[in-house]
Amino acid sequence: NAGVTQTPKFQVLKTGQSMTLQCAQDMNHEYMSWYRQDPGMGLRLIHYSVGAGITDQGEVPNGYNVSRSTTEDFPLRLLSAAPSQTSVYFCASRSGTSGTYEQYFGPGTRLTVT
Amino acid sequence: KQEVTQIPAALSVPEGENLVLNCSFTDSAIYNLQWFRQDPGKGLTSLLLIQSSQREQTSGRLNASLDKSSGRSTLYIAASQPGDSATYLCAVGPLTTDSWGKLQFGAGTQVVVTP
Repeated sequence: NAGVTQTPKFQVLKTGQSMTLQCAQDMNHEYMSWYRQDPGMGLRLIHYSVGAGITDQGEVPNGYNVSRSTTEDFPLRLLSAAPSQTSVYFCASRSGTSGTYEQYFGPGTRLTVT
Repeated sequence: KQEVTQIPAALSVPEGENLVLNCSFTDSAIYNLQWFRQDPGKGLTSLLLIQSSQREQTSGRLNASLDKSSGRSTLYIAASQPGDSATYLCAVGPLTTDSWGKLQFGAGTQVVVTP
């Protein structure tokens, strides 16, 4: 199993540009989520999904969109990039039926908005 | 709202010394607590997960304890090695049914083990 994969690893955008961060998992996990990590602030939840076709907002959703058309994929869209969105983005997944609910993280996408 | 705190923010120890990392949380209604390791520029690697009904979990040189009533977890790393140098994050999974395991993270403790 590849686990949780993310592309790209690095991205530089100009203010106002849009892009999609890709996330895929091959563990048949129902639950997927996106976090952003900023220095001194820990990881904060952006959006999450409990299954195909179901998404909801986390702690910091503004400026981001998500959709979940398949169990495997959970892309994160930046509609109009802003310098405040410069961050490292992590995708995570976990089983919705396993009792431990252990979460697995991807390697991250480092995004710089100029 | 759940607040997760990790103190100290940074720690430097000589090789061979035992590491003690602290995590505190304000709301004891948790489903589980997970400890992660993060190397510079890398993703998060899960180290240990403790269910709310458990008091501790062990894996090799790592031992994590959980005291829900006092809102504390401690990660012990025995006989530290330079390869243990990393940032250690704790994350709490809330109990409420509408939370679906949304993790609340601490800011992490950056550990340096000197040879």
